[in-house]
Parts: sequence; C-alpha cells; structure tokens
Amino acid sequence: AQKVTQAQTEISVVEKEDVTLDCVYETRDTTYYLFWYKQPPSGELVFLIRRNSFDEQNEISGRYSWNFQKSTSSFNFTITASQVVDSAVYFCALSEAYSGGGADGLTFGKGTHLIIQP
Amino acid sequence: DVKVTQSSRYLVKRTGEKVFLECVQDMDHENMFWYRQDPGLGLRLIYFSYDVKMKEKGDIPEGYSVSREKKERFSLILESASTNQTSMYLCASRLKGFGGTELAKNIQYFGAGTRLSVL
Repeated sequence: AQKVTQAQTEISVVEKEDVTLDCVYETRDTTYYLFWYKQPPSGELVFLIRRNSFDEQNEISGRYSWNFQKSTSSFNFTITASQVVDSAVYFCALSEAYSGGGADGLTFGKGTHLIIQP
Repeated sequence: DVKVTQSSRYLVKRTGEKVFLECVQDMDHENMFWYRQDPGLGLRLIYFSYDVKMKEKGDIPEGYSVSREKKERFSLILESASTNQTSMYLCASRLKGFGGTELAKNIQYFGAGTRLSVL
C-alpha cells in the first residue's frame, strides 16, 4: 500500500524567512509520480509540480524548489524568501505510474498548514 | 487552462435527502475523480471514472454512488445523506496517459470544492 507522511502539521514563519516542508513516502512500485499541491483559503487545490520516480534532478521555479531523494524516499519543498501570499495548506501526493489506460487516484499526505506572518 | 467546475460551493441538506454533487471539466479529460477532505484525515478517494459510463470504487465508497453519462460530467450521489457525510468534496480530472514524461499527462486538476453540511 502507498503512504505519504507530512510530519509537520503546521509551520509558522515570519515573512522573508526560508521554509522547508517535508514529505516522506512509501510505495512498492518502482515507477511512480510525486506531486505537490497548494490549497489557499479559497479551497481549490492548485497543482505545483509533478516529479517522475526515475528523474531525481532537483527543480527550481522562482522562489520554489524541490528536493527529491529516492534513497530516503523524500520529496521536500522549500520556499525561499517566503511571502504572506504563500500562506496555505500544502499537500504532497503520490500515484502509481500506469499504462494501458487505467486510472487511479492520488494518495495524499495530511497536509502542512503554512502560515507566513508579516 | 484546465477548468474543473463544481456546481455549488456550499450546500446544506437534511439527513435522509438524496444529494447530487456535480462536476464538469472542459478539457476532454478521460479520467475523473471524487475526493472528500476532512480535518486531520487529508483527502481520500471516493470514486473514480476512467471514461464514460465507467466507474471504480476508491478507498471510501460506502454511502456514495457516481454517474458518468457524458465525458465532461461526473456526478457524486449521496443516496441518503447522513451527518457523517458532512465534508468538503473535491472533484478532479486527468488526461489519460500511458506513463512516460509527457507533461500534460497524469496530473489531476481540481475544482474549487463543495462544502456540504448535512443537518
């Protein structure tokens, strides 16, 4: 069975600080996808990134960066120079890579509530 | 941009009522999903559909059914609403893929959610 653990329930930092959100996953699959989603107070889940299990390169997008380490089954998310607009609940998620046209859902962590104080 | 629209942001229903939650996507995606979100439990998959008239149970299907008569629309049905079904319901859609590295595939896009209260 798949499992995603986000041990940090809530993090509060002051604006402009860097913050890292942790994600640890478990899966028996050799090929899988990892995701991060952001859920602002409005409620909609916003897709941030997808990472394939066979691509361990780290990724940077503006102030956001992701560190994928297969050896420790972790996919951590860092926000540099945080801003108040970054305040949201962030979810890490996992899915099998599939072929043949089948479908499957995402396995989500329980989320980390990030509070950026001005 | 992918747009997933859920017909209601807020709903209040009474115990025993039959409730329909509607979801429409405009990107011709084959796969659609219903999740519920509860504090401390995260998101859990209720049902999914990999194409028209197809449906599969997710992790918590009890008390729910679904309908997919058209590709763009996926309905979640609470046959007889109960108070323990008070929750946030999120719909998602996904372009069918076969693995690989195509950026558009295997990404679920979500609607804004329907917050359902059953009294």
